Amino acid sequence: DIVLTQSPDSLAVSLGERATINCKSSQSVLYSSNNKNYLAWYQQKPGQPPKLLIYWASIRESGVPDRFSGSGSGTDFTLTISSLQAEDVAVYYCHQYYSTPYTFGQGTKLEIK
Amino acid sequence: EVQVVESGGGLVQPGGSLRLSCAASGFTFSDYWMSWVRQAPGKGLEWVANIKQDGSEKNYVDSVKGRFTISRDNAKNSLYLQMNSLRAEDTAVYYCAIGNSAFDYWGQGTLVTVSS
Repeated sequence: DIVLTQSPDSLAVSLGERATINCKSSQSVLYSSNNKNYLAWYQQKPGQPPKLLIYWASIRESGVPDRFSGSGSGTDFTLTISSLQAEDVAVYYCHQYYSTPYTFGQGTKLEIK
Repeated sequence: EVQVVESGGGLVQPGGSLRLSCAASGFTFSDYWMSWVRQAPGKGLEWVANIKQDGSEKNYVDSVKGRFTISRDNAKNSLYLQMNSLRAEDTAVYYCAIGNSAFDYWGQGTLVTVSS
């Protein structure tokens, strides 16, 4: 099974500042035949289901603000929020859909400093 | 507008059974892989199972193999999860998730509590 390890577990950032969350995979999720990384990022607010933010490691889902960006390839990935807004307080998860069993990172709790 | 509504959760004793349903609308159901993802209280997300568009392929996480069965009815735009031999560790909110790659849409979830 592919293990995804996120860092940090929690993060406090001032409004307007940059937030960076990392996700490391125990094996590559880059599929060589199509050069795509099978890695997504979700945002989950209390009492709500997860919401897709980024897929194929760097493609922003329609309607997601452009302050959210994803980067990385192979085994190391990053979600960046360029200028933190109050509504970004949430838990963020990375997710690999390269092979079953699909797996998620343990989550990173983002708060306002 | 895509709508996904789970139902069938509740309180069940250890060793009991429950059948979850997911009713979907607003998209061509038969075009998509469907998954169940669960979240224990205060914990992270765990993928449980998925099923191919025509039902010909099913995959499960090891912890539910032999106990849970995923199925779908494309004529009814519905997804199901039959859960048998339930254990305390199966207690979670169960989400229906849609997507041929990442999970584009999620329902609000249905809570399953396994307790005596």
